[in-house]
Amino acid sequence: GAVVSQHPSRVICKSGTSVKIECRSLDFQATTMFWYRQFPKQSLMLMATSNEGSKATYEQGVEKDKFLINHASLTLSTLTVTSAHPEDSSFYICSAREAQGAGGYTFGSGTRLTVV
Amino acid sequence: TQLLEQSPQFLSIQEGENLTVYCNSSSVFSSLQWYRQEPGEGPVLLVTVVTGGEVKKLKRLTFQFGDARKDSSLHITAAQTGDTGLYLCAGRSGTYKYIFGTGTRLKVLA
Repeated sequence: GAVVSQHPSRVICKSGTSVKIECRSLDFQATTMFWYRQFPKQSLMLMATSNEGSKATYEQGVEKDKFLINHASLTLSTLTVTSAHPEDSSFYICSAREAQGAGGYTFGSGTRLTVV
Repeated sequence: TQLLEQSPQFLSIQEGENLTVYCNSSSVFSSLQWYRQEPGEGPVLLVTVVTGGEVKKLKRLTFQFGDARKDSSLHITAAQTGDTGLYLCAGRSGTYKYIFGTGTRLKVLA
């Protein structure tokens, strides 16, 4: 089946630094990838939709200058949390939609970000 | 803003019991998915329902999509400890985007 690899799985960074999270579709091409944020014991909140070769579409209330998304190829999307603050600490998850076939969605395993 | 409300929010039951989780919205969705998520991992897709009134079965799990495509339910028969997890419904909004429900945290006790 389709596999989405997300790295790193855990990261601790200092306030003010930037952190990059990668989301790769390993055995399929993904024209569209989605980035979600999940707070402890809560559901997933869609942050942005990323399309290969174009600018990401951000959901209302999500700061595009703080959460930079790049979808440079059909198999890779990155989320960079810039100038991180403790309130950015969260579980970030990506999802990729297959370009071919039924267009199924596959989730990555998530990244636990802790900003200290 | 489209909202998907799930109920109950938390559920703790004994192994062997049956349970139903509900997913409700005032919006119509072209399709709806159910996921299960383990702590520290990404959600895993259980099923996708597309047609109003559709019923799908996955072993002990039965999924139903409401006739008006605004709501859905997940019924688990004879729950097992391995069913423990966070259950999420997600409705398709727009071309490809899915909006997630508020989640139901299930704990099955041995």
